[in-house]
Amino acid sequence: QVTLRESGPALVKPTQTLTLTCTFSGFSLSTSGMCVSWIRQPPGKALEWLALIDWDDDKYYSTSLKTRLTISKDTSKNQVVLTMTNMDPVDTATYYCARIPRGEQRYFDYWGQGTLVTVSS
Amino acid sequence: DIVMTQTPLSLSVTPGQPASISCKSSQSLLHSDGKTYLYWYLQKPGQSPQLLIYEVSSRFSGVPDRFSGSGSGTDFTLKISRVEAEDVGVYYCMQGIHLWTFGQGTKVEIK
Repeated sequence: QVTLRESGPALVKPTQTLTLTCTFSGFSLSTSGMCVSWIRQPPGKALEWLALIDWDDDKYYSTSLKTRLTISKDTSKNQVVLTMTNMDPVDTATYYCARIPRGEQRYFDYWGQGTLVTVSS
Repeated sequence: DIVMTQTPLSLSVTPGQPASISCKSSQSLLHSDGKTYLYWYLQKPGQSPQLLIYEVSSRFSGVPDRFSGSGSGTDFTLKISRVEAEDVGVYYCMQGIHLWTFGQGTKVEIK
């Protein structure tokens, strides 16, 4: 059974760095083709893709946010970590992690429940 | 970056009636490998998005056959043959040929 769960602070101050952790089970990020991604959704707004890391430790970032994002993995802990620097109130959103099951597929089949992060002083 | 544009942004449908959502991409989603990297998701109220359709027209596991996808290149359509109450939510198209981008979403409600 595949599950993903996001964790991190519910509230961060402007200019701070956000660190989110995705803890997953039911698959291994060392399996060829496997990928984990971060996607966010501001309240009442659309989904926005942020970053992806694959089994080979290749990393991909949103063009508009790449200077602020870092994605990493700890295969032994089944975790993927996203850091976002210089947080601003417009970054208030629910942050999801999601899985791509195989390299030749490019869809997200399993998603976490999401974690709401509010940016406010 | 590829821009995904959905129309309409909202839809009110009588149960049992059909519904259709359009999605247009700013660049062709047809890859040299022959696949077209266009997907459809449904986000039900209070839930995470769930995959409905992959590669334009293939239904994901467990998705009812009243959902169908069509299109090619830059123009795509999601159709629901007979809308049911459980189909309410926001529908998103997504491209995966160059990184990933979602459309603005189409909110479907029941009349």
